[in-house]
Amino acid sequence: GQNIDQPTEMTATEGAIVQINCTYQTSGFNGLFWYQQHAGEAPTFLSYNVLDGLEEKGRFSSFLSRSKGYSYLLLKELQMKDSASYLCAVKDSNYQLIWGAGTKLIIKP
Amino acid sequence: IAGITQAPTSQILAAGRRMTLRCTQDMRHNAMYWYRQDLGLGLRLIHYSNTAGTTGKGEVPDGYSVSRANTDDFPLTLASAVPSQTSVYFCASSADSDTGELFFGEGSRLTVL
Repeated sequence: GQNIDQPTEMTATEGAIVQINCTYQTSGFNGLFWYQQHAGEAPTFLSYNVLDGLEEKGRFSSFLSRSKGYSYLLLKELQMKDSASYLCAVKDSNYQLIWGAGTKLIIKP
Repeated sequence: IAGITQAPTSQILAAGRRMTLRCTQDMRHNAMYWYRQDLGLGLRLIHYSNTAGTTGKGEVPDGYSVSRANTDDFPLTLASAVPSQTSVYFCASSADSDTGELFFGEGSRLTVL
């Protein structure tokens, strides 16, 4: 079966750095996506990786290793507004998105 | 403002009743999707449409139906609601079926009693 694993919850301190990991086992691979979802709101797109390596976008970076079936989302200079759930999703060989359950990130002052 | 509009935002429904969740987008996206989101689970695809006039079944299609008569609208119908269909429903769209960047509506919270 297809599976996306990510931690259920993480806690970090304002101003610090946090890394959210995602491992996947899917039938084929056509890209990995990270979405942010604030409580009670819709998910919004953060990043996309299809080749190995690091993609940087402001305070957020996303890394991919296809051989290891592994990705992480790195958030720097954490702000209170970064408190949200972070969803990892992989596009399989049929171009269908397979979603992880999400990681709830709690930022403390 | 361009985007996706869902209605209703919230609804309480008696079991056995028929319900249609509406979804409209004005971005001229080809692909549209319906997901349900339940606590502790990832988003699960109910039905999708790669282009107007075509639809397909996702991971959890039973008890739901969709239609795609035109590019903009993609309603989701529960023919006879059951309590297990209590969930938050998200409609989403993408430029085409190969594109991973989805744009989501604000969600419809449905409670079936």
